[in-house]
Amino acid sequence: QTVVTQEPSFSVSPGGTVTLTCGWSSGSVSTSHYPSWYQQTPGQAPRTLIYSTNIRSSGVPDRFSGSFLGSKAALTITGAQADDESTYYCVLYLGNAVWVFGGGTKLTVL
Amino acid sequence: QVHLVQSGVEVKKPGASVKVSCKASGYTFTNYAFTWVRQAPGQGLEWMGWISAYKGDTKYAQKLQGRVSMTTDTSTTTAYMELRSLTSDDMAVYFCARVLDAIDIWGQGTMVIVSS
Repeated sequence: QTVVTQEPSFSVSPGGTVTLTCGWSSGSVSTSHYPSWYQQTPGQAPRTLIYSTNIRSSGVPDRFSGSFLGSKAALTITGAQADDESTYYCVLYLGNAVWVFGGGTKLTVL
Repeated sequence: QVHLVQSGVEVKKPGASVKVSCKASGYTFTNYAFTWVRQAPGQGLEWMGWISAYKGDTKYAQKLQGRVSMTTDTSTTTAYMELRSLTSDDMAVYFCARVLDAIDIWGQGTMVIVSS
């Protein structure tokens, strides 16, 4: 069974930088997984931040960036703000119209 | 502006079926696909499946095979997700989302309550 791994929780100070990662149980995450990142606050629908590794969705501030960190996909938030406190999900495309979500990282800004 | 507007709260008894709709506007419906994602209370997001709005091809998550059906109606630019034989494990918020290279636009979610 394919498992997408994310840190369960992370904290960052206001103004600080944090990098969240997204791994794949079967090996390295690559561009062929088209890694994407979503932000969700309680009671709201997810918001698309990054797709195809590093393309920011429309309206997403440039302090959100996507990349690879070793064998994992990564989401970096630079200059964290209080309203960045959310749960962040990564999604990997496995091919043949199949996607899988990571378990999410709950980010605290304090 | 692109919008996906979903149907309202559903309350169903165990064993029943539910059909959630997702009305799309602001873009060419058949140029994209849809995916459906659900979120149980306090849990993460779970991918349920995918449907091409152009051809109607589908792909379902293995754990839901046989219980889920996804369809689209190009005349009303609406996508549908039907889940049968509901149990308490199916109680969740169900989201539709537009897909091309990635999941980009999301519906607001539909809460499905399963209770006897």
